[in-house]
Amino acid sequence: EIVLTQSPATLSLSPGERATLSCRASQSVSYDLAWYQQKPGQAPRLLIYDASSRATAIPARISGSGSGTDFTLTISSLEPEDFAVYYCQNGRFPLTFGGGTKVEIK
Amino acid sequence: QVQLVESGGGVVQPGRSLRLSCAASGFTFRSYSMHWVRQAPGKGLEWVAVSSYDGSNKYYADSVKGRFTISRDNSKNTLYLQMNSLRAEDTAVYYCSRDKGYGDYPTNWFDSWGQGTLVTVSS
Repeated sequence: EIVLTQSPATLSLSPGERATLSCRASQSVSYDLAWYQQKPGQAPRLLIYDASSRATAIPARISGSGSGTDFTLTISSLEPEDFAVYYCQNGRFPLTFGGGTKVEIK
Repeated sequence: QVQLVESGGGVVQPGRSLRLSCAASGFTFRSYSMHWVRQAPGKGLEWVAVSSYDGSNKYYADSVKGRFTISRDNSKNTLYLQMNSLRAEDTAVYYCSRDKGYGDYPTNWFDSWGQGTLVTVSS
């Protein structure tokens, strides 16, 4: 099973700042990685798939990069609606998620 | 628009069974693989199971293998999760989600989600 480790656990930033979230896989997943956003009381939302492809209606300020074992989700300038928990997900069976990074308002 | 509505959750004693349903609308259900993903209270996400678009292929997380069964009725646009021998650690919100891929080309990405149904396993 592929273990995904996300860091940091919590990121305290102000609106307008840049957010950089990390996801490290225990073995190579090539480009088989996705990112999701989850707000309290809501279902997750797909942001990025295939490591760097934006899902439908995801704004350009959100981007993904990386391959192999090291991946990054970047939000170039935080908007109020971006404060949430973010999860990475491996696309190879068995499918697994990272533990999440909470982006909170500083 | 895509709509997924889960039902069937509730409080159940350890060792008992429960069946969840997910009613789909707004897309051609029979053409998509479908997943169940769960989230324990205050915890992260855990993938549970997937069914291919025609039900011919199914995969499970090790934590539920042999106890849970995923199935679908394409004539009713409904996905199911039969959960047997329930344990306290199965307590979670269970989400139904659609695979982003189409037909014979699943992607294992979850592009649409229901709002979830809460299963509580407690004596």
